[in-house]
Amino acid sequence: KAGVTQTPRYLIKTRGQQVTLSCSPISGHRSVSWYQQTPGQGLQFLFEYFSETQRNKGNFPGRFSGRQFSNSRSEMNVSTLELGDSALYLCASSYGQLYNEQFFGPGTRLTVL
Amino acid sequence: EDQVTQSPEALRLQEGESSSLNCSYTVSGLRGLFWYRQDPGKGPEFLFTLYSAGEEKEKERLKATLTKKESFLHITAPKPEDSATYLCAVQADSNYQLIWGAGTKLIIKP
Repeated sequence: KAGVTQTPRYLIKTRGQQVTLSCSPISGHRSVSWYQQTPGQGLQFLFEYFSETQRNKGNFPGRFSGRQFSNSRSEMNVSTLELGDSALYLCASSYGQLYNEQFFGPGTRLTVL
Repeated sequence: EDQVTQSPEALRLQEGESSSLNCSYTVSGLRGLFWYRQDPGKGPEFLFTLYSAGEEKEKERLKATLTKKESFLHITAPKPEDSATYLCAVQADSNYQLIWGAGTKLIIKP
């Protein structure tokens, strides 16, 4: 059974640009969550999608957005990038809605210059 | 405010030297507490879910326990391959959102 895949694995952008990250969950999983991980703040919840609907949202500005497609694949977009957006962005999938074990992808390392 | 605190931040042990990691939490009502392991450059890997005080779960050299205020991850006779960052997260009754601790970096020396 294939695991959670994220693309791209590494990304370098400059301030003011926008970026789109992609996540393919484990087959059959309908819940996809996105996290930002930095050395200083640890893992911070961005949002969760379940059956194409955003069910939960963390405390991030509106520059961070996402969506989920009918095949459960999800994308995350960050507009007007800031230096502080440099982080590892992790996607996790689960069968249910955030009360089952989550399976994480390897992450996308975003560097903003 | 819901909060999760892990201690210590880092722990260095000799191979075979048993110890415990702590995860203390403050939530209005606990729906579940989760332990994950994260290796460098990888996403976290699920270890355990605990739901109620008194519950215990084991997997190889790891044993997780839960009280009303904290959880412990006991590591018995660890091996170098147990070296990783161990993360704790809680889910409150009022919110499906997971609240994560900062993690404990465990280093096991051969």
